[in-house]
Amino acid sequence: DIQMTQSPSTLSASVGDRVTITCRASQSVSGWLAWYQQKPGKAPKLLIYKASSLESGVPSRFNGSGSGTGFTLTISSLQPDDFASYYCQQYNSYPFTFGGGTKVEIK
Amino acid sequence: QVQLQESGPGLVKPSETLSLTCIVSDGSISISTYYWGWIRQPPGKGLEWIGSVHNSGTPYYNPSLKSRVSFSVDTSKSQFSLKLSSVTAADTAMYFCARYSGRLGEPFDIWGQGTMVAVSS
Repeated sequence: DIQMTQSPSTLSASVGDRVTITCRASQSVSGWLAWYQQKPGKAPKLLIYKASSLESGVPSRFNGSGSGTGFTLTISSLQPDDFASYYCQQYNSYPFTFGGGTKVEIK
Repeated sequence: QVQLQESGPGLVKPSETLSLTCIVSDGSISISTYYWGWIRQPPGKGLEWIGSVHNSGTPYYNPSLKSRVSFSVDTSKSQFSLKLSSVTAADTAMYFCARYSGRLGEPFDIWGQGTMVAVSS
């Protein structure tokens, strides 16, 4: 199985901050990496696919980059609606695996 | 836009079988492009892929759960189902169904709202 490791697990930030979350794969997943946002009690929402492609309707302040084993999700200017948990997921091979998550909290 | 809706008992006794169904609102379960997955999330923890099924019935399992999991598809009812046998407290979680396109190379783009299942006597 491909292990996905996210860091940090928790991040405290203020509105307007630039925020970066890292996801590392235990082996190459090429560019088959997605980022999801999840709010309490809700289903995850797809933000980024193929490492850097923005899902339709997702604000342009969200940016994904990377390939192979290292990926980042950057929020250029954190907004109140962005306080949530974020997960990476590899879909290069079965079994699909998720990172442990990053909770973005209000500082 | 297509909607997914999970249903099933909210409480299951230890050692019994958990059964969940996901209804696909627009009938697209019959389209061969799509694959249908189950993901779970224990309270306060991260996401775990349980497995997926194609409308042909072809299953894809998480090896960690394979011995206890089975899937089925009923295109006439536009639904797919999950059975998880011999449950324990560790199977207590929010269970989500979700859709992706193609066997590999596409993320989960549509999710159900989730259904909470507790395992307790």
